[in-house]
Order: sequence, then C-alpha cells, then structure tokens
Amino acid sequence: GAGVSQSPSNKVTEKGKDVELRCDPISGHTALYWYRQSLGQGLEFLIYFQGNSAPDKSGLPSDRFSAERTGGSVSTLTIQRTQQEDSAVYLCASSFGGTGTEAFFGQGTRLTVV
Amino acid sequence: GDSVTQMEGPVTLSEEAFLTINCTYTATGYPSLFWYVQYPGEGLQLLLKATKADDKGSNKGFEATYRKETTSFHLEKGSVQVSDSAVYFCALSDPGNQFYFGTGTSLTVIP
Repeated sequence: GAGVSQSPSNKVTEKGKDVELRCDPISGHTALYWYRQSLGQGLEFLIYFQGNSAPDKSGLPSDRFSAERTGGSVSTLTIQRTQQEDSAVYLCASSFGGTGTEAFFGQGTRLTVV
Repeated sequence: GDSVTQMEGPVTLSEEAFLTINCTYTATGYPSLFWYVQYPGEGLQLLLKATKADDKGSNKGFEATYRKETTSFHLEKGSVQVSDSAVYFCALSDPGNQFYFGTGTSLTVIP
C-alpha cells in the first residue's frame, strides 16, 4: 500500500484477554517502530526493529508485551493478559533507515480495555 | 541517552500572531532533527526536518534551524492560522535510526 497500515483501527477487549495489533509498513522500509500514545500524552517508545531484529526493546513496559517482525515486513505487537492501563493508541511507523530519513506513521490502533 | 525536551503546552494564540515552540535536544552523536504535527483526529505527519548543523527546515510557513551550539531546533511561524491548531512534536533520530520524541505541544489558534 501507499502508507503504513495498522489493523484493527479500534479494539475493545476485556481485561485479562490477549490482543494482537498488526502493522504493515511501507514497502522497502527496513526500520519499524512501535509507540504508545495515551490520552493527552506524548509518544512512549516501545520497540524498534531493523529488518527482523530488534536492537532496542527497552521501551516494552512489561513482559506482557512482545513484538515480532517477519520477512522484514509485517510486525505484530502482542499484549497478554491486558490491563486497563494498557488502554491507549498504539502507533506504528516505518522508515528506510538511512541517516536523516523520516519516519512515516500509521493511523494507529485505539485499544480500550474494559 | 539521547532525548528531546520541548516547551510545555497548551499554547493559545490569536490568528496572525507569531509562534515559537522551543525544542532542545541531548545527543551523543550527530542527530537529524524533525518536527511532526498531529492535526485533530489524524495521524502524525512530518512537518519539516534538518539533517546537519545550520540547516533550516521549512514547510507551510513554519521554519526551524538546527543550532548545534545551543542544541536547539525551535519551531517558528510568523503568522498562525486557525488551521494550524494541532499538536506539534519535536524529534531526533540518532545515527542508528532510533527516533526520540518530545512530549508534544498543543497549539490552539483562535479567530
């Protein structure tokens, strides 16, 4: 596609359930980023992929959060045993990864844990 | 580690007023600097960027100059419009292509 695609756009889940969020980056982009944006807050870094490997996982808030990227393309962010504090907009971005190249953002997945 | 600090909001201005949103950074290497904008109900999009010292990025009447001596990348616009109401994020990317974002500054322009 022309841009970064995220699915679903909205997800309502019950506390304790697992959720999977998907990100389809721009074709050819080697770098992929996940961020979390809570209501009225800035961007909280979660994880960064270069190709299929994740040089920086330091932002994952707990061991309930995991992410993978396969084939250097699609990435999934999994949250196990969701809690209400996980409610936020999860943003994915991708870039060519070269110096000074911009990151392109998807529209985000709005996760609500009830 | 690398980081970005930007002016706290919210900022409210009258139409045609001058805008400055301050941004300073901390980096161990030679970062590239960006301003992103998030209009209401929309995703983040690049507003402008600069990749080396003394470069000026500009777009839609907004400007920012990469100042290495003061480690700053302040966003300016000479005459804001109602349509500029949005949240503005300062960001840097390090040589390893990791992005660091500021906390965002909400701007409201009133007619």
